[in-house]
Amino acid sequence: AQSVSQHNHHVILSEAASLELGCNYSYGGTVNLFWYVQYPGQHLQLLLKYFSGDPLVKGIKGFEAEFIKSKFSFNLRKPSVQWSDTAEYFCAVRSGAGKSTFGDGTTLTVKP
Amino acid sequence: NAGVTQTPKFQVLKTGQSMTLQCAQDMNHNSMYWYRQDPGMGLRLIYYSASEGTTDKGEVPNGYNVSRLNKREFSLRLESAAPSQTSVYFCASSEGPGRALHFGNGTRLTVT
Repeated sequence: AQSVSQHNHHVILSEAASLELGCNYSYGGTVNLFWYVQYPGQHLQLLLKYFSGDPLVKGIKGFEAEFIKSKFSFNLRKPSVQWSDTAEYFCAVRSGAGKSTFGDGTTLTVKP
Repeated sequence: NAGVTQTPKFQVLKTGQSMTLQCAQDMNHNSMYWYRQDPGMGLRLIYYSASEGTTDKGEVPNGYNVSRLNKREFSLRLESAAPSQTSVYFCASSEGPGRALHFGNGTRLTVT
């Protein structure tokens, strides 16, 4: 069975600080990787995704993620966070069977 | 653009009562899913339907049943609600296995 581990449960940053959220997964086969964001009181929205090709993926709002196959990792990054990035971030892995497995989530608080 | 529509938004049940959560998508997606979200536990898959006419159990199916009524609609039924089913329920859809998920706005269910 596949599993997803997000290293940080809660991250607090000041505006303009750089962000990196860790995500590791366990699954030996081909996977599709996703980061979703959930703003307070809202539903999850897709931030970015990796299916194949360039392992550095760019998403919306200046976010990017790097797929490192040898490390089973898909870390999310942003060079300079804004107060509006305050949200919960979920890493997800989908195998060929089509089921998504989500990490527990990381709550990001950006202080103005 | 309605996307994924869930009803109701809020519901309070007493232990033992039954109810059905409704979900409909207008994106002609093949696959539909029901997740529950609990604090610190991320999203856990309850049931999914890879395509019209099929349903499969996810991680936490006990106490739930589903119906894929047609391509658009996928309902979740609680036959005898328990306090452990207090949660936020999200319906999602995708074009097919391995594709990104599109989420509804969620149903906040409280079982007393």
